[in-house]
Amino acid sequence: GESVGLHLPTLSVQEGDNSIINCAYSNSASDYFIWYKQESGKGPQFIIDIRSNMDKRQGQRVTVLLNKTVKHLSLQIAATQPGDSAVYFCAESRGYGNKLVFGAGTILRVKS
Amino acid sequence: DTAVSQTPKYLVTQMGNDKSIKCEQNLGHDTMYWYKQDSKKFLKIMFSYNNKELIINETVPNRFSPKSPDKAHLNLHINSLELGDSAVYFCASRKGTDTQYFGPGTRLTVL
Repeated sequence: GESVGLHLPTLSVQEGDNSIINCAYSNSASDYFIWYKQESGKGPQFIIDIRSNMDKRQGQRVTVLLNKTVKHLSLQIAATQPGDSAVYFCAESRGYGNKLVFGAGTILRVKS
Repeated sequence: DTAVSQTPKYLVTQMGNDKSIKCEQNLGHDTMYWYKQDSKKFLKIMFSYNNKELIINETVPNRFSPKSPDKAHLNLHINSLELGDSAVYFCASRKGTDTQYFGPGTRLTVL
């Protein structure tokens, strides 16, 4: 598949289990954080976002947690499904123009 | 369909050529971006335009020139293509302080 040759962290989970993908960000001045999902051959797709005045936000089957003290962001996916298999990116937004700075990405593989 | 669209989806060309990639969004957004994704999947911003004005210009070779004829379009022209330009190029757009929405990407291969 497309992930062959990629040296990104990989998380393998069984279908139905919960997944947790972690991300460390670099700039304590960043005030907006986003998780994107990228499937093979497609552009990054918005999943969920959170502003720095919050520490938790929930969506449908997804939860984002923000720990500003240690500059850490996590994405929790409940009841992971095969369709969740993709590369997941965290991004932080800083500065004029809301430039996004992306993390390295994590491959999520869901086993049926 | 409301979306961010890019053309072409694939572009294969020889070193030294000049090529353009086009981006259009019909979302009514006022800010558009170009990102480059390398072979290791690393995504990095290149440019951003707000209402046709350049607001972000990262350290990109001046062989790359963005052009925004109107708020809905942001094209990327690349002169004298080099092997290292091979990558997937993504256009994105945003309204106000909303999140950015990405196009499907253009895979550029320089031979």
